[in-house]
Amino acid sequence: DVKVTQSSRYLVKRTGEKVFLECVQDMDHENMFWYRQDPGLGLRLIYFSYDVKMKEKGDIPEGYSVSREKKERFSLILESASTNQTSMYLCASSLAAGDRSEQYFGPGTRLTVT
Amino acid sequence: AQKVTQAQTEISVVEKEDVTLDCVYETRDTTYYLFWYKQPPSGELVFLIRRNSFDEQNEISGRYSWNFQKSTSSFNFTITASQVVDSAVYFCALSGVNTGFQKLVFGTGTRLLVSP
Repeated sequence: DVKVTQSSRYLVKRTGEKVFLECVQDMDHENMFWYRQDPGLGLRLIYFSYDVKMKEKGDIPEGYSVSREKKERFSLILESASTNQTSMYLCASSLAAGDRSEQYFGPGTRLTVT
Repeated sequence: AQKVTQAQTEISVVEKEDVTLDCVYETRDTTYYLFWYKQPPSGELVFLIRRNSFDEQNEISGRYSWNFQKSTSSFNFTITASQVVDSAVYFCALSGVNTGFQKLVFGTGTRLLVSP
């Protein structure tokens, strides 16, 4: 089974702090993704990585950056956390193959910025 | 542009009732994939099914069935004889050839509440 793990289930940070969310997958997937999920808005893509050190902006990249130094690990960075970044953050991974492109998700990190 | 619409925000049923979750999509791609995911209260999205645009056969897996109709751009999901464990948020999603099938566009989800 594909396993995607996220470093924390719940996180509380203060405004202005630098926040790191870590994601690790164990299935040698090429693609990794970071989403945020908010009520009524569904899942929105923040950043996407299709290879080590490669990244692509998603729909809402403002206020976020990412790092992918190893194939299995994809980090989301909030340079200076703000209250409007309070949300559920979901990491996912997938193969780079059209007919097997389903994404597998981690358990999520619920981040609260106070 | 691609878009997925799940017009039903929340559905409440009593156990053993059948329920259909609607999904309507928009895409200009001629080749695309459709997906359903389940998000139980624990929070982790669970992949349920993938369908490609060339395969309009309905699919059944136990109590779950999916009806794909290109003519109406719909990919509906039916749960037969619902159970309390089916309570979750269900997401429909789409990927297309223009993004190399790498990115998913999600609907806003339908929350299903099954009461005993």
